[in-house]
Amino acid sequence: AQSVTQPDIHITVSEGASLELRCNYSYGATPYLFWYVQSPGQGLQLLLKYFSGDTLVQGIKGFEAEFKRSQSSFNLRKPSVHWSDAAEYFCAVGGTDSWGKLQFGAGTQVVVTP
Amino acid sequence: GAVVSQHPSWVICKSGTSVKIECRSLDFQATTMFWYRQFPKQSLMLMATSNEGSKATYEQGVEKDKFLINHASLTLSTLTVTSAHPEDSSFYICSAMHQSTDTQYFGPGTRLTVL
Repeated sequence: AQSVTQPDIHITVSEGASLELRCNYSYGATPYLFWYVQSPGQGLQLLLKYFSGDTLVQGIKGFEAEFKRSQSSFNLRKPSVHWSDAAEYFCAVGGTDSWGKLQFGAGTQVVVTP
Repeated sequence: GAVVSQHPSWVICKSGTSVKIECRSLDFQATTMFWYRQFPKQSLMLMATSNEGSKATYEQGVEKDKFLINHASLTLSTLTVTSAHPEDSSFYICSAMHQSTDTQYFGPGTRLTVL
């Protein structure tokens, strides 16, 4: 069975500092991996996705993520956060046979301080 | 960009009544849509896969007679919570699969409160 773990429930970061959100997955083969951001009153927005190929994936809003098969990880990074990056971030995994059926991690709440 | 809407955005109902939630893909067609449920401070849990023109497939533990799903067109899926009870109170989110981009686009969610 597939599963997704986001170890950090809550992260506080200063504006302008770098951000890294951790995501570990469990899946029998190479899964499809996603990062979504959820802001209050808005739907989940896709930041980036990994299907295959280059393991360093560039997304929107200056985010990137790196797929590391040996560590079963897909961590999200941003070099310099903006106050508008404060939100809930979800990592998700989809199986290659039915990747549309996503399993989400518990989410990481990011707070940005001045 | 691809937009998915949900209606209503919030609803309060009495216990025992039924509530219908609509999910629409506004600028693309979606043969497949998904319904999720999100509890406060928790993650999204997939409830069912809605397929246009066929029956929905439900995840284990989700009562299909309780949560009726209809996907009558390529832009509309509905979720009806029948005989709602307070434990059905939750945030319900739909998503629509954009075939040409292999991307799911999510609606803003519907907050259901059952009194």
